[in-house]
Amino acid sequence: DIQMTQSPSSLSASVGDRVTITCRANQSIANYANWYQQKSGIAPKLLIYAASSLQSGVPSRFSGSGSGTDFTLTISSLQPEDFATYYCQQSYSTPLTFGGGTKVEIK
Amino acid sequence: QVRLQESGPGLVKPSETLSLTCTISGGFIGSYYWSWIRQPPGKGLEWIGYIDYSGTTNYNPSLNSRVIISLDTSKDQFSLKLSSVTAADTAIYYCARGSRVVIPLFDYWGQGSLVTVSS
Repeated sequence: DIQMTQSPSSLSASVGDRVTITCRANQSIANYANWYQQKSGIAPKLLIYAASSLQSGVPSRFSGSGSGTDFTLTISSLQPEDFATYYCQQSYSTPLTFGGGTKVEIK
Repeated sequence: QVRLQESGPGLVKPSETLSLTCTISGGFIGSYYWSWIRQPPGKGLEWIGYIDYSGTTNYNPSLNSRVIISLDTSKDQFSLKLSSVTAADTAIYYCARGSRVVIPLFDYWGQGSLVTVSS
């Protein structure tokens, strides 16, 4: 199985901050990485696919980068509605696997 | 607009079989991978498996021997059966649509169904 390791597991930030979350795969997955946002009690929502492509309807303050084993999700200017848990996911091979999540909290 | 809705019992006894159904509306059932994903309370996401429009299945080996996913195209539904459940199977169960847009991804999710395993 491909393991996806996210860091940090949680962070505190203020509105307007630039936030970066990283995800590392334990083997190369090319660009087969997606990012999801999950707010409390709600199903995950796709933000970024294929490492860097913005899903339709997602604000442009979200961006993704990386390839191979290292991936990054960046929020350029954190907004109140962005406080949530973020998950990376690999779709390079089955079983499809998710990172452990990064909880973004209000400072 | 595609909508997915899970349904099924919220309480299952240990050693019994968990059964959930996902009803698909607003979209074409073909050319997609219909998946089940679960999330234990307060924990992360685990992919259970998928079935495609042809009926081909792919299961997570960690659950492989206990899982069956089936598709009923006449009802626009797909279902999950997980046998011999224990307390470790207590989770929110999500159905999701898997699409291939450059790479495979989950673009639509149900609201989730909490299933508790307890006697």
